[in-house]
Amino acid sequence: KAGVTQTPRYLIKTRGQQVTLSCSPISGHRSVSWYQQTPGQGLQFLFEYFSETQRNKGNFPGRFSGRQFSNSRSEMNVSTLELGDSALYLCASSNSVNREQYFGPGTRLTVT
Amino acid sequence: GESVGLHLPTLSVQEGDNSIINCAYSNSASDYFIWYKQESGKGPQFIIDIRSNMDKRQGQRVTVLLNKTVKHLSLQIAATQPGDSAVYFCAEKLTGNQFYFGTGTSLTVIP
Repeated sequence: KAGVTQTPRYLIKTRGQQVTLSCSPISGHRSVSWYQQTPGQGLQFLFEYFSETQRNKGNFPGRFSGRQFSNSRSEMNVSTLELGDSALYLCASSNSVNREQYFGPGTRLTVT
Repeated sequence: GESVGLHLPTLSVQEGDNSIINCAYSNSASDYFIWYKQESGKGPQFIIDIRSNMDKRQGQRVTVLLNKTVKHLSLQIAATQPGDSAVYFCAEKLTGNQFYFGTGTSLTVIP
């Protein structure tokens, strides 16, 4: 079974631009969660989608948004990029609550 | 807010020895925990999980212990190998599939 895939793997953007990241969960998994990882803040939860609905949201500004499609694939969008948005963005999928959650390789976003 | 903290940010062990990585959590209502291993340039890799109705769970060379009385988790790695060198995170489920991650412990295995 294929793992969680994320595209693109690397991205360089300029301040003020917006970016869309994509995540394809493991086949059969309906829950997709997004995390931001930085050296200073560690792994921080952004949001979780389940069956196309946002189920949980972390403490990030409204510039960070996401969505999930009927095939469980998910996208997250960051608008008006700031230098501090430079990070590794990770998505994880699971087929239920209290079950294993598997991460993808991440998208490394650099904002200049 | 909730917090999950690791007692030791770095740990060095000799190859073949056992490793113990510790983690404290603060939400006594948390009912599910996961340990992850993250190697440089990769996403976190699922190692083992444990539900709050268990005290111990064993996998291949790894054991997780859960002490709900003192809100403490530990990951034990038996016969540590160079390939075990990585950063290890404990993750505490808050709600749904929202997890709070500890700061991580860097494990270095000395050949």
